[in-house]
Amino acid sequence: GQSLEQPSEVTAVEGAIVQINCTYQTSGFYGLSWYQQHDGGAPTFLSYNALDGLEETGRFSSFLSRSDSYGYLLLQELQMKDSASYFCAVRATDSNYQLIWGAGTKLIIKP
Amino acid sequence: NAGVTQTPKFQVLKTGQSMTLQCAQDMNHNSMYWYRQDPGMGLRLIYYSASEGTTDKGEVPNGYNVSRLNKREFSLRLESAAPSQTSVYFCASSGTSGGADTQYFGPGTRLTVL
Repeated sequence: GQSLEQPSEVTAVEGAIVQINCTYQTSGFYGLSWYQQHDGGAPTFLSYNALDGLEETGRFSSFLSRSDSYGYLLLQELQMKDSASYFCAVRATDSNYQLIWGAGTKLIIKP
Repeated sequence: NAGVTQTPKFQVLKTGQSMTLQCAQDMNHNSMYWYRQDPGMGLRLIYYSASEGTTDKGEVPNGYNVSRLNKREFSLRLESAAPSQTSVYFCASSGTSGGADTQYFGPGTRLTVL
């Protein structure tokens, strides 16, 4: 089967850097996506890694290593508004449209 | 651009009642999706529509039906609601830019079945 594992909760301090990991078990996939969801809100797309390596979008970066079945989301210069849940997701090659989602990591930011 | 809109925002049903959740997108996207999200969990795909005129089952389709009314609209129907269907339902869409990996979500419908 296919599954993704993320830590359930991560705590960090405002202004710091935090890394949210995602490990996966899947036979083949197109790439790794990251979404942010604030409490009571809808998921919003953050980033996508089709290839191994680092993708940077402002304060957020995402990394993928297919050989290690591992990826992470890196958030820099943390702001209180970054308090949210972060989900990784993959689209398996045997299912063109279906994303498989991790259970999400709740990021708690302390002042 | 409103993006993806969903109605209603909240709904309370009694066991056995039926209802239809409505979803519309104005981004000219080909693909649309219905998810459910239970507390503390990720999203699970109920049904999707790769393009107008097609629908396919996702991970958890039992107890649901869908209709892709046109390119803009994709509805989800609960024929006989059960307490296990208490959840938050999200509709999403995706286009050619980014494909199915980049999905745009509506605000959600919070459904409680008593």
